[in-house]
Order: sequence, then structure tokens, then C-alpha cells
Amino acid sequence: GAVVSQHPSWVICKSGTSVKIECRSLDFQATTMFWYRQFPKQSLMLMATSNEGSKATYEQGVEKDKFLINHASLTLSTLTVTSAHPEDSSFYICSATNNGVNQPQHFGDGTRLSIL
Amino acid sequence: DQQVKQNSPSLSVQEGRISILNCDYTNSMFDYFLWYKKYPAEGPTFLISISSIKDKNEDGRFTVFLNKSAKHLSLHIVPSQPGDSAVYFCAASVNNNAGNMLTFGGGTRLMVKP
Repeated sequence: GAVVSQHPSWVICKSGTSVKIECRSLDFQATTMFWYRQFPKQSLMLMATSNEGSKATYEQGVEKDKFLINHASLTLSTLTVTSAHPEDSSFYICSATNNGVNQPQHFGDGTRLSIL
Repeated sequence: DQQVKQNSPSLSVQEGRISILNCDYTNSMFDYFLWYKKYPAEGPTFLISISSIKDKNEDGRFTVFLNKSAKHLSLHIVPSQPGDSAVYFCAASVNNNAGNMLTFGGGTRLMVKP
């Protein structure tokens, strides 16, 4: 089945550090990738939609300068949390799809970000 | 405004019995619906989906039912197994294309007791 790899799975770092999270589709070309954030005991909240070769579309309330998204190839998207602060601590999950009709999004295993 | 709602935060079922997870939506433009299963600290795993042109889709122990007039879908798991214990999210999108944004429900925690 479709596989999406997300790396790293867990990051602990000091406040002010920038953190890059990678999302790769391993066995299909992902024309669209999505970045979600999940707080404890809550649902997944979409942060941004990333299309290969174009600028990401951010959801309302998500700072694009804070959460930099790059989707340079059909198999890789990156999310960089710039100058991370404790309130950015969360579980970040990416998903990917090849945009076919009735094709589901496939999710990575998520990245737990802990900012001290 | 929550467009996709899962009104039961948790459900407990005995092993071997049927689990029924429910989901309601308000946006009549939704035409593609999905169920995902999620374990703690992992990403959601796709289970089953249904297009609005159908009212039922079955895959092994999992069946999804769609009632468009009621804007309601449900996931039936039978027989339930302890390994099914997880959080289940329903999701919906427009244009039969999950390349469009998915709107998720709040999730239902299923506990299957041995």
C-alpha cells in the first residue's frame, strides 16, 4: 500500500531553535501534501496545503512566516518551524495524495515536537 | 462551525460483537467520505472510504454506510477484535478528491474488551 514517511519522529530542542520536518511519499508521486497539527485529545487541524512547485496555501490563523513549507519535488515536502517556542510544542502530521479521484490521503507517523 | 461531527467521544464493545461508529456532517457539498484509525503517537491509517454515489462500501470486517439525506455515515466493524482499539476519525472532502482538503471529525475512541 501507499507509504508516507515522516522524519524525525520526535524532536526536543531549546526555545528559539528552528526545526525541519520531512515528509516523503515512498511509492507514489504526491502532487499534494498536507500538514496537520494535533493537540492532545483533539482532532487533526489542517495547517496548510502544499502543491509541488507552488506556494503553500495556509489555513486561517496559521503564520506562514512561522511555519515554512517547501514542496520541491513530487515525493518530498518539508515543514520548518522557525524560532520555535514552547507553545509550538505539538504533534505534527503530514499526509500525501496523488490527487486521483477517490484516492485517499495517506499519513505519515507524525512528529512530536517538544520545545523547552 | 464544525462541519463534521462525531458525537460519541468513546465507545466500549465486547470482543466478537459489532462496533458502530457514527459521523454527521453539515456541508452538502461533501461527496467523498473516509474513515481513519489512529493509535497514539502515530499518524492516521486509512481504513475505508465511500463516494456519495454509493450508500454502502464493504471491505472485510469494515463496512461504511452513507445516508445522504440524513447527512450521516457510520462505520461498522464486525466482529470487533481487541486490536481494533484505537481512535477512529471520519473525514469528508469535496469533488470526490482527497487531494482537496479533508475535514475531520473529532474522533471516537473505541475500546474492544477481550
